[in-house]
Amino acid sequence: GAVVSQHPSRVICKSGTSVKIECRSLDFQATTMFWYRQFPKQSLMLMATSNEGSKATYEQGVEKDKFLINHASLTLSTLTVTSAHPEDSSFYICSARDRGLDTIYFGEGSWLTVV
Amino acid sequence: AQKVTQAQTEISVVEKEDVTLDCVYETRDTTYYLFWYKQPPSGELVFLIRRNSFDEQNEISGRYSWNFQKSTSSFNFTITASQVVDSAVYFCALDGYQKVTFGTGTKLQVIP
Repeated sequence: GAVVSQHPSRVICKSGTSVKIECRSLDFQATTMFWYRQFPKQSLMLMATSNEGSKATYEQGVEKDKFLINHASLTLSTLTVTSAHPEDSSFYICSARDRGLDTIYFGEGSWLTVV
Repeated sequence: AQKVTQAQTEISVVEKEDVTLDCVYETRDTTYYLFWYKQPPSGELVFLIRRNSFDEQNEISGRYSWNFQKSTSSFNFTITASQVVDSAVYFCALDGYQKVTFGTGTKLQVIP
């Protein structure tokens, strides 16, 4: 079964509203979680790296005020897309690093559609 | 900086043919991991393999095999006797611990 759970798997929201996507590690403590975005027919692009209890590190070109990332616990990170616009419609996927096993696991991904 | 190159954008093969997906990487890290993932149309990433940079042994898992050559910084993936269910986008990725970098993916279409 999945060791990293992402919720919701699909969400439709109205333009101008905010939407939150959760990423949970189920069987391990994830000190580091990563958020990716994937446009149709393109690769996964790293948006930000979040470490538990500290501010996320954003990749160049990613608006940190628009994509709010919170990593308040060792098992949960959230991505909030604020004031969403149709161009934010995309596939968002998180991953979590299991320090104990020294590997990473990916969530199932979330399809966001902004109408 | 790290980089992963998958030069093949799309490949089409007829069912039962063998196919090799290429992956070339660049990194300054001495310790790293290499991955292959499969992404079917539904979107989820399906883990296929993880290889430590110190382990250059080739691996075979059923119809899948991987050839890791550190000297050429390549980590190629071969599907033997391809099947229609193998049709998907395949991503090679490099985990340099600070971040994971994905290649641009290779879309494989297996024609019945």
